[in-house]
Amino acid sequence: ETGVTQTPRHLVMGMTNKKSLKCEQHLGHNAMYWYKQSAKKPLELMFVYNFKEQTENNSVPSRFSPECPNSSHLFLHLHTLQPEDSALYLCASSQEGQDYNSPLHFGNGTRLTVT
Amino acid sequence: DAKTTQPNSMESNEEEPVHLPCNHSTISGTDYIHWYRQLPSQGPEYVIHGLTSNVNNRMASLAIAEDRKSSTLILHRATLRDAAVYYCILINFNKFYFGSGTKLNVKP
Repeated sequence: ETGVTQTPRHLVMGMTNKKSLKCEQHLGHNAMYWYKQSAKKPLELMFVYNFKEQTENNSVPSRFSPECPNSSHLFLHLHTLQPEDSALYLCASSQEGQDYNSPLHFGNGTRLTVT
Repeated sequence: DAKTTQPNSMESNEEEPVHLPCNHSTISGTDYIHWYRQLPSQGPEYVIHGLTSNVNNRMASLAIAEDRKSSTLILHRATLRDAAVYYCILINFNKFYFGSGTKLNVKP
């Protein structure tokens, strides 16, 4: 149990579908993140939210739309995805203070397959 | 973003110490050094971090070179459960960029 819960664990969707990934953290943290992990590639930082405000969008295509309604919940809305978007999507959280170097706590990810 | 360089893979025998190296020659004075590991089918897990001094915790030790251009993660007694990909990352603001990591194989 990492304190960061992601649902669903697995998702198969067609290119014309709309789906959402959900992340919830039970650690009282104030920063949340989305990462993408493709096969044989390093983790790619997608989005960062500090105190519910988006502070980083790492050149992510608009077919990925994040939402952070409060500091405990983070969503990734998906629409008109491509097969190359198939990957493991990881959510993380951290408690950020003045020095912004607190450890990340990851969930176990959502394995997404786009057909 | 400052880069890190790690060997692609390493092998260790069970119950022996393991030293995982990381080079970060472009590190800035305010970059923290973080280590994470990722077991199969799981998200990455925090291991340890430090700035200038060596650090110890229940999982591992972190040895940081005096010039901070390299560091070494030390697992004192490797177990089969330590087989994972280990990532060394430099943090200056809360944007964590992962490299390819070192895949550690532990032999019984």
